Amino acid sequence: QVQLVQSGAEVKKPGASVKVSCKASGYTFTSYGISWVRQAPGQGLEWMGWISAYNGNTNYAQKLQGRVTMTTDTSTSTAYMELRSLRSDDTAVYYCARDLMTTVANFDYWGQGTLVTVSS
Amino acid sequence: AIQLTQSPSSLSASVGDRVTITCRASQGISSALAWYQQKPGKAPKLLIYDASSLESGVPSRFSGSGSGTDFTLTISSLQPEDFATYYCQQFNSYPPITFGQGTRLEIK
Repeated sequence: QVQLVQSGAEVKKPGASVKVSCKASGYTFTSYGISWVRQAPGQGLEWMGWISAYNGNTNYAQKLQGRVTMTTDTSTSTAYMELRSLRSDDTAVYYCARDLMTTVANFDYWGQGTLVTVSS
Repeated sequence: AIQLTQSPSSLSASVGDRVTITCRASQGISSALAWYQQKPGKAPKLLIYDASSLESGVPSRFSGSGSGTDFTLTISSLQPEDFATYYCQQFNSYPPITFGQGTRLEIK
């Protein structure tokens, strides 16, 4: 069965960086992409970007350009999302979700979420 | 960026009711729309993709329709496990991919 298992909760200070991992199993990792979606406390869903696990192509939300980097390690079927220069409004639950290999579409499997808290 | 506006923002209904949630796009998105259900503390779950295709394993009481700018999610007979928040999402034009603000479905 398809599973996406994310790394554990993080507490960071403003200005720091965080790197969240998403380990995939139950499917051929390089035949799909991964999108990252975050949800601030009590708020809606915000798409952050997408990476193709096939060739590493990325597409980021413009508001995060320059602060976010998405990568994959095909040897371990793991996707990573790094967010730099953290601010208090980056406090959110971060989800990875399975997407298409060549483009962004809809997300059929999701990780369990990783809470990132940014606080001084 | 394409904006998605859901209505209503919240809704109270009873078990057995028929419920419809609408999602309006700020510009045409063909059929590039998905619907998700989210329960508190859980990840969203895909219900409908390509505006009207039912995701595998999702009960047939859920259905989606529409194209262009106007879309609907219908639950034909509400069950206790359906009380949750529902989001629409467009993937016609990006970046960014955008979601509606959500519709909270509560028990009357």
